[in-house]
Amino acid sequence: GAVVSQHPSRVICKSGTSVKIECRSLDFQATTMFWYRQFPKQSLMLMATSNEGSKATYEQGVEKDKFLINHASLTLSTLTVTSAHPEDSSFYICSARRVTETQYFGPGTRLLVL
Amino acid sequence: AQTVTQSQPEMSVQEAETVTLSCTYDTSESNYYLFWYKQPPSRQMILVIRQEAYKQQNATENRFSVNFQKAAKSFSLKISDSQLGDTAMYFCAFMKHQNTGNQFYFGTGTSLTVIP
Repeated sequence: GAVVSQHPSRVICKSGTSVKIECRSLDFQATTMFWYRQFPKQSLMLMATSNEGSKATYEQGVEKDKFLINHASLTLSTLTVTSAHPEDSSFYICSARRVTETQYFGPGTRLLVL
Repeated sequence: AQTVTQSQPEMSVQEAETVTLSCTYDTSESNYYLFWYKQPPSRQMILVIRQEAYKQQNATENRFSVNFQKAAKSFSLKISDSQLGDTAMYFCAFMKHQNTGNQFYFGTGTSLTVIP
């Protein structure tokens, strides 16, 4: 149990386009979902926390108009990178939390903006 | 603010041997949770072990065990009988009690290589 999926696993897009990443909890209802960004050989950097049906809480320095998060249901959260630029290229990871405190992570999405 | 420190950027161990990864944290909270996650080359984050701060007994999961020293704010991970599949990045994480916040604070990670 506690499986989290992400789609797509990798995406290449042109500068200026928008990219949507989906995060789904497959076998449980997630009270909270998290979005992280990870640069090569570095730790995870929390971008935002989202609860179903409410606005996401963004970490300091993360542009909410740039990284749109929608948590439409207890099993689905989406991250949209709007007007992507090469500096947005990174590895994005979502996680989901059930009632307990443990976070379960998706496999990640590699974004490359040309 | 909570901080998590992993002072060993890289470590290696011979297959079948035992290795200990260190983690220290700083907090004023009395009730919290600690985790070790593993990130293999596939980059999928996998939960290795978790510990509730109010429990004095050290958590164990098969070949993985922790040495939780609450007063010293130390949370080390011991891997026994190391296997090639244990090669990965290991992250220590801290979370305040869920009623006071659910954000994870991650350490910078330790890259472990198991040598055949």
